[in-house]
Order: sequence, then C-alpha cells, then structure tokens
Amino acid sequence: EVQLVESGGGLVKPGGSLRLSCEASGFTFSSYSMNWVRQAPGKGLEWVSSISSSSSYIYYADSMKGRFTISRDNAKNSLYLQMNSLRGEDSAVYYCARESGTISGVLVDPWGQGTLVTVSS
Amino acid sequence: DIQMTQSPSSLSASVGDRVTITCRASQGITNYLAWFQQKPGKAPKSLIYAASSLQSGVPSKFSGSGSGTDFTLTISSLQPEDFATYYCQQYNSYPRTFGQGTRLEIK
Repeated sequence: EVQLVESGGGLVKPGGSLRLSCEASGFTFSSYSMNWVRQAPGKGLEWVSSISSSSSYIYYADSMKGRFTISRDNAKNSLYLQMNSLRGEDSAVYYCARESGTISGVLVDPWGQGTLVTVSS
Repeated sequence: DIQMTQSPSSLSASVGDRVTITCRASQGITNYLAWFQQKPGKAPKSLIYAASSLQSGVPSKFSGSGSGTDFTLTISSLQPEDFATYYCQQYNSYPRTFGQGTRLEIK
C-alpha cells in the first residue's frame, strides 16, 4: 500500500524552528517528485514547496523563500521541511504529497494525513 | 503568479442533483489543472488531473473539462458522500496555486 506519514509538528514560539518529516512506503520513493502543501485552520489549501526526485529542482512559495528548506533522503524514503523564523501565519496542517508525471499530465496523489504546526507564544 | 478563482464559493444541492464548479485562471495554463476533494478533518484526495483525466478509482460521475483559462468540474447524481470542499490547482508554472475552494453542502 502506498503511504505517506508526516511527523514533527507541534507548538513552537514565534521566531522558532521546526523540522517536519514525511516517511514514504509502498513505492519507489526515489522515482517521484514530492510536495508540501499546508492548510491554515478553516482556510484553503496553500502550496508550500516541491522537490524533484533527485533534488535537482526545488521550488518554494514566495512567502516561504529564505525561511523554509525542503530536502529529501532517498536512502531513507523520507522528505523533510525545515521551517525557520516561524510566524503565527505559518500555523497550519502540513501535508506531504507524491507527484507522478503521466502521459496526460501531473498527478498529485496520495497525500499524507498531515501534521499540525502551531506557532504561538 | 497565476491566480485561480473558483465559483461559486459555496453551493447547496440535493441528493441526486448534478452540479458544476468553475475554476478560472488569470492566464492560460493549457490543461495543467487538477481537482481535489477534501472532507472535514481529512487530507485532500485527487479526483481529476490534466483537466479531464479521471484519477484511478474515482467514480465516473466526476468529470472535468476545459483548457486555457476556463475549467469545470461536474458531479452528476450527488450522493451524501460527495458533500465536501473542492479545490482546483494549476501546475502550469511555479508557484503552483490553488483556487479558494468550493464548499458543497446538502440542501
């Protein structure tokens, strides 16, 4: 079964740091690009960052550039999001999601269950 | 950045109804558009990619169409499990952007 499991969320003070992890199983992790998407409480989905299969290509949403770092360890089947200089508006559920390139287009599926980050003093 | 605008923001419908949700891109994205369904407290689920390709396992009552800037998601014969929030997302360019969501409620 293809599965993604996030961890590392929690309560952190403004200005603090947190590292999220996403452990993949049931597929060849090193063959897929991966994404982080977040959702603030009661709000819509917001794309955070993407990383290609070999880490050659990395992209960030503008509001996260310079503060967040996406990375992966293909040997450990794991995706990471290092978040620094956290702000209240970064409070959200963070999801990781697999990205597949198909003949027809890009498929983002499956998604993990999410991990909650709360930034508050 | 490409802005994605969904309409309506919310929609009330009855079991058995057919509904259509619209997503408009601020610039052309060919067919690089996906649709997701999200139920309360759950992760999003992929329904449609490449504007009209149905994700494996998704019932054929879901269909997508459009290209360029205007896209639609149609759900035929609504069932109780279809009442959820639906999002479009463009992947034509980075940053990848989502629509604000359409909440589909039972009338």
